[in-house]
Amino acid sequence: DAGITQSPRHKVTETGTPVTLRCHQTENHRYMYWYRQDPGHGLRLIHYSYGVKDTDKGEVSDGYSVSRSKTEDFLLTLESATSSQTSVYFCATGTGDGNTEAFFGQGTRLTVV
Amino acid sequence: GQNIDQPTEMTATEGAIVQINCTYQTSGFNGLFWYQQHAGEAPTFLSYNVLDGLEEKGRFSSFLSRSKGYSYLLLKELQMKDSASYLCAVRFSGGSYIPTFGRGTSLIVHP
Repeated sequence: DAGITQSPRHKVTETGTPVTLRCHQTENHRYMYWYRQDPGHGLRLIHYSYGVKDTDKGEVSDGYSVSRSKTEDFLLTLESATSSQTSVYFCATGTGDGNTEAFFGQGTRLTVV
Repeated sequence: GQNIDQPTEMTATEGAIVQINCTYQTSGFNGLFWYQQHAGEAPTFLSYNVLDGLEEKGRFSSFLSRSKGYSYLLLKELQMKDSASYLCAVRFSGGSYIPTFGRGTSLIVHP
């Protein structure tokens, strides 16, 4: 299995507070992704990174920022959490090569109250 | 957007065969993935198709028709442990080749 760990695995936070989720990989994959998964919507891309300090927005990036200061780590920050950001967040990594799949972390369940 | 459509839910009987369909817009198509996701767990990779035809992997097969914008995942000899969500994801050119996911199909296998 690809070595992708997310922390924390569960978090409850209050509306308006900042929250940072961490994704750590040991696969030396170039690409890293943050998705959120909600009932009825499937997996939606928030932000992705194609190298250290190289990031771009996905489909649902509003209210989120990311940083990648080294290959292994990709951080997702909610600057001021809202109830609409209650979701399960998945980190994934990939080589970026044409036919290779993405490998997913175990997910972080975030509840904003 | 790049609409990817799958049925929301399907049910089947243990030992049977089930086919889960996925349709997508054909413009810019650059590959299709199927993932399995058990409740509360991460998605895991099942198959990849980029050329027309059938790819077989044990009890699971995946088919692709690029001209029709159509794929299916075929599960044979269903087992209770196959109860899960099945996610279709399509890679489109021009979008940094990052897969776009459909909403997933929840498969329930009955004894």
